[in-house]
Amino acid sequence: EDQVTQSPEALRLQEGESSSLNCSYTVSGLRGLFWYRQDPGKGPEFLFTLYSAGEEKEKERLKATLTKKESFLHITAPKPEDSATYLCAVQGGSGSARQLTFGSGTQLTVLP
Amino acid sequence: EAGVAQSPRYKIIEKRQSVAFWCNPISGHATLYWYQQILGQGPKLLIQFQNNGVVDDSQLPKDRFSAERLKGVDSTLKIQPAKLEDSAVYLCASSATGDFEAFFGQGTRLTVV
Repeated sequence: EDQVTQSPEALRLQEGESSSLNCSYTVSGLRGLFWYRQDPGKGPEFLFTLYSAGEEKEKERLKATLTKKESFLHITAPKPEDSATYLCAVQGGSGSARQLTFGSGTQLTVLP
Repeated sequence: EAGVAQSPRYKIIEKRQSVAFWCNPISGHATLYWYQQILGQGPKLLIQFQNNGVVDDSQLPKDRFSAERLKGVDSTLKIQPAKLEDSAVYLCASSATGDFEAFFGQGTRLTVV
């Protein structure tokens, strides 16, 4: 059974204080690791897909990296508008059913 | 490009009543998902469709939940009868195929009292 564990559960940062969110996973045959952002009362918003260890992707102040056991979402010089819950999900397995398994998320608060 | 549309946004029902949710995926997306998200948790897959067919419903409580996808486009998720523990946000998502990122709708917040 695929499993995803995210840490920390909650993180409070001052504006401009860089940090990293962790996503540890176990999956049978990783097909992709996904990062989503979720604002209160909204559905998850797609950020990145990573497919293989060593891969990195960047978008504005966010950078996602992947190893064989975990992924990190690095936030550089965050702003209050980066406050949200960040969800990690993995897709594994073979055949036609390749479901996403989500972690519980990290709730990020960036204080001005 | 229009996103995933869901309705209603909110629904309050009494336990043992029935409820239905509707989803219209992004045009051309073959894969459609229904997720349940309980407060403070990540989304949990209930059912996955590929075009008209079900490819994964292993976590769907089939004694009370049912879902269908009409002509490979719109989908409905039904709960009958509802229990208190069904209170959650029900998210619909779609992707071009099962191998690509999924895009989510705003969700339907269900409260069972």
